[in-house]
Amino acid sequence: SQQGEEDPQALSIQEGENATMNCSYKTSINNLQWYRQNSGRGLVHLILIRSNEREKHSGRLRVTLDTSKKSSSLLITASRAADTASYFCATDRRDDKIIFGKGTRLHILP
Amino acid sequence: GAVVSQHPSRVICKSGTSVKIECRSLDFQATTMFWYRQFPKQSLMLMATSNEGSKATYEQGVEKDKFLINHASLTLSTLTVTSAHPEDSSFYICSAREVRGKWYGYTFGSGTRLTVV
Repeated sequence: SQQGEEDPQALSIQEGENATMNCSYKTSINNLQWYRQNSGRGLVHLILIRSNEREKHSGRLRVTLDTSKKSSSLLITASRAADTASYFCATDRRDDKIIFGKGTRLHILP
Repeated sequence: GAVVSQHPSRVICKSGTSVKIECRSLDFQATTMFWYRQFPKQSLMLMATSNEGSKATYEQGVEKDKFLINHASLTLSTLTVTSAHPEDSSFYICSAREVRGKWYGYTFGSGTRLTVV
């Protein structure tokens, strides 16, 4: 399969709680990116983490990368209703292809 | 920042007709562009890599005669869905790769929703 795996596939949490999504991949990478996609819309780039970085923050987002385990996590703190969307990790592979994981559908409950 | 314009955003066509989708890098040159396909509630699947001035490289299982890709200039790649069928209905997204010296980045278009009736 050309895709990585993400878990959970779907996640529902109460507004204000933290949401954690995980991503695993198979091949060596240059960097890993996380994107958000609202239903039926295009992609919004959230954050990029390079293969030599272990953690990165951007506002309420925190991304970790463990290249030894070939995995990454995205944490959204203090979730809001507007965070409801699908979240995808995308690996920038050594063959210059961007390959997407299967995604996590996040639903923030009011 | 870098902008990629994808057009049209939505298109409805009849079975058997062909549809062309354009992907333009507006403020940078893109020697490489990528085409993805996304079915409802699924992820983006890479269809092909488009290189300026050469033939596209298709992923396994993607019919190159059905999905024609042309990358004739450094700012434009087109995807033509030929003899479209209802099962080709999907969301198609392009991405352009910008290279500046040792730095490079990817910018995605806003997608095209194709409905074949």
